[in-house]
Amino acid sequence: KAGVTQTPRYLIKTRGQQVTLSCSPISGHRSVSWYQQTPGQGLQFLFEYFSETQRNKGNFPGRFSGRQFSNSRSEMNVSTLELGDSALYLCASSQDTGGGSYNEQFFGPGTRLTVL
Amino acid sequence: DQQVKQNSPSLSVQEGRISILNCDYTNSMFDYFLWYKKYPAEGPTFLISISSIKDKNEDGRFTVFLNKSAKHLSLHIVPSQPGDSAVYFCAASYDKIIFGKGTRLHILP
Repeated sequence: KAGVTQTPRYLIKTRGQQVTLSCSPISGHRSVSWYQQTPGQGLQFLFEYFSETQRNKGNFPGRFSGRQFSNSRSEMNVSTLELGDSALYLCASSQDTGGGSYNEQFFGPGTRLTVL
Repeated sequence: DQQVKQNSPSLSVQEGRISILNCDYTNSMFDYFLWYKKYPAEGPTFLISISSIKDKNEDGRFTVFLNKSAKHLSLHIVPSQPGDSAVYFCAASYDKIIFGKGTRLHILP
């Protein structure tokens, strides 16, 4: 079974631009979560999508948004990029069969975004 | 407000010895705890987990201990091997998963 894939792997943008990152979950996984990893803050939760609906949201400004399609693929968008948005953006998928609070997450390799 | 804390940014351990990584949490709602391992240029990979109803879970060289009264968990790796050099993230879950900032483990030859 193929793992979680993220595209592109590397991206360079300038301040003020917007960017869209893509994530394809493991086949059969319905939940997709996004995280931002920076050296000083570790892994910070952005949001989670399940069945095309945002189910949870972290403490990030409205410039960060996402969506999930009917095939469970997800995109994350950051508008009006700032220098501080430079980070590794990780996507994780889980099967989420329901009934419990924990569903093991499988991470993709991430998209390294650099904002100049 | 950091709900999951890994207070040691880095740790160096001699090969063959025991590595102990620590994690503290503040939210008593957490009911599942996980450790992830991350190599450079790769996404984190799941290592081991423990439910809040247990105090120990073992998987080969890896053991996780949970002390609910102290809101503390630890990951023990014994014996430590060179391939264990990585960043280790502690995470806790109730309706979503919260990660710590990670501890970089260096295994010394």
